Amino acid sequence: GAGVSQTPSNKVTEKGKYVELRCDPISGHTALYWYRQSLGQGPEFLIYFQGTGAADDSGLPNDRFFAVRPEGSVSTLKIQRTERGDSAVYLCASSLTGTRGSGELFFGEGSRLTVL
Amino acid sequence: GNSVTQMEGPVTLSEEAFLTINCTYTATGYPSLFWYVQYPGEGLQLLLKATKADDKGSNKGFEATYRKETTSFHLEKGSVQVSDSAVYFCALSDTDKLIFGTGTRLQVFP
Repeated sequence: GAGVSQTPSNKVTEKGKYVELRCDPISGHTALYWYRQSLGQGPEFLIYFQGTGAADDSGLPNDRFFAVRPEGSVSTLKIQRTERGDSAVYLCASSLTGTRGSGELFFGEGSRLTVL
Repeated sequence: GNSVTQMEGPVTLSEEAFLTINCTYTATGYPSLFWYVQYPGEGLQLLLKATKADDKGSNKGFEATYRKETTSFHLEKGSVQVSDSAVYFCALSDTDKLIFGTGTRLQVFP
């Protein structure tokens, strides 16, 4: 069956530009997560959606980062005025119930963002 | 806040060697503990988990025991294979999200 799909797989942009990263979760999964993984580091939590609403956005580093999930399925992570420090792999994961259930998150392969 | 500390890699072993990857955690309350694995070119996937003290998680020959007294969740395998080469991440549940360690790369040579 289809897993979590992320597009684009690679994105190169210039400092100051706007970027959108898309995540298509597993069908029927109500929980959706965004993580950021820098080189040699573990995934760092950004935001968690339960349905359409952001249940926890405490990991977003600043107001240049924003994410939406308007219909409770596909989610878009938006980064304004990109900086070189935003370069990382952005991971999306989905789950049937979130970590309070089985705790299993299903991850996509990530979107690698490079800001020149 | 809650956190996970893993041993640094890479860990380099010959096939059939014994593997231990250390993981310790700091947490308030009683989190669930996980090991995720990332094979080359693939997304992270759950390897095993334990939800309470003294629980042992196991999968594909890997095991880890939730030790509350030492706040540890070390990953072990008795005989590694070349196909086990990957990056391994220890994680804990924190309310509705997972907090990950920095990952340990395992390289197994024939």
